[in-house]
Amino acid sequence: NAGVTQTPKFRILKIGQSMTLQCTQDMNHNYMYWYRQDPGMGLKLIYYSVGAGITDKGEVPNGYNVSRSTTEDFPLRLELAAPSQTSVYFCASRPTSGSYNEQFFGPGTRLTVL
Amino acid sequence: AQRVTQPEKLLSVFKGAPVELKCNYSYSGSPELFWYVQYSRQRLQLLLRHISRESIKGFTADLNKGETSFHLKKPFAQEEDSAMYYCALSGVGAQKLVFGQGTRLTINP
Repeated sequence: NAGVTQTPKFRILKIGQSMTLQCTQDMNHNYMYWYRQDPGMGLKLIYYSVGAGITDKGEVPNGYNVSRSTTEDFPLRLELAAPSQTSVYFCASRPTSGSYNEQFFGPGTRLTVL
Repeated sequence: AQRVTQPEKLLSVFKGAPVELKCNYSYSGSPELFWYVQYSRQRLQLLLRHISRESIKGFTADLNKGETSFHLKKPFAQEEDSAMYYCALSGVGAQKLVFGQGTRLTINP
């Protein structure tokens, strides 16, 4: 199993550009999450999903959108990139039960908005 | 509201010395506490959880509900312990985790 994979690894955007961060997991996990990691701020939850077709906002959803059409994929969309969105983005997943909330993380995407 | 506080952004100790990474939480219900670790160039991964009451890589953490703390301890630090450590909180059966700000631990030779 590849676990949780994210693409791209790095990206530089200009202000106002759009992009989609891809996240795929092959563990048949129902729950998936998007976080951003800023220095000294820890991980902040952007959006999460408890299953295909269901998404919900986290702590910092503004400026982002998500969709969950399949169990495997949970893409994160930035419509109008802003410098405040410069961050490292992590996708995570976990099964519905039996894991005591252990989340499995992807390698991250480092995004710079200039 | 759920909140996790890690008061130290940076912690530096010498190899062989004891290590304690502090974590305090705020939660009105019954909490589940976790420590996640991110080694250099590796993914964030679960280190240990309070419910298991286990020792992983020599680390232990005890949930103190009276002091609302979940400090991570290791009696003798090793250089390979250098990493970023995050404390995280969830309610029992909850869907989400709340992470602290993280502590970067550096073990000096």
